[in-house]
Amino acid sequence: EIVLTQSPGTLSLSPGERATLSCRASQSVTGTFLSWYQQKPGQAPRLLIYGASSRATDIPDRFSGSGSGTDFTLTISRLEPEDFAVYYCQQYGRSYQYSFGQGTKLEIK
Amino acid sequence: QVQLVQSGADVKKPGYSVKVSCKASGGTFSTYAINWVRQAPGQGLEWMGGIIPIFDTPFYAETFQDRVTITADDSTTTAYMELSSLRSEDTAVYYCARGGQNVNYYDTSGFPYHFEFWGQGTLVTVSS
Repeated sequence: EIVLTQSPGTLSLSPGERATLSCRASQSVTGTFLSWYQQKPGQAPRLLIYGASSRATDIPDRFSGSGSGTDFTLTISRLEPEDFAVYYCQQYGRSYQYSFGQGTKLEIK
Repeated sequence: QVQLVQSGADVKKPGYSVKVSCKASGGTFSTYAINWVRQAPGQGLEWMGGIIPIFDTPFYAETFQDRVTITADDSTTTAYMELSSLRSEDTAVYYCARGGQNVNYYDTSGFPYHFEFWGQGTLVTVSS
């Protein structure tokens, strides 16, 4: 099973700043299989990025994904107040197994 | 547009079972996997298993395979997740989730690489 480790656990930034969130895999992950989600309190997760770098429908272009192999990054270029939430990376593994990172909480500084 | 609507919150005693439903509308039901993901209070997301209705063969995460049963009813476009032998640690929000319409992001069986559509979540509380 591939384990995803996200860092940092908590990121404190101000609106307008740039956020960089990391997701590291215990073994190499095909980029097509790596995605990112945003979750706000009391809500279901929302798909942001799929295939490591493709934005999902209606996701603003301040969100971008990059990376390959074992290291992936979600970048928010200029934080808006509504971006403060918890972010998860997720990978699809063989034999229909999925795993999520433990999450990064993005909080207002 | 795909919509997933789940059954309401439930409270169960330890040792009992719970069954959560997920009704799908919009898009094709039978050939796309419906998956179940749970989230304990203040914790992260955990995949439990999934099913492709047309094949009627579920796949489970190792952690849950002894206690979970996932089924789907094509006639009502509804998927179900039943968890047995409940314990307090099973208190969580349970989500159903499905992939999007782009077939390039599915494996050969019909399981998606990512989850584009989510149900609203069902809180299951296990308490004596």
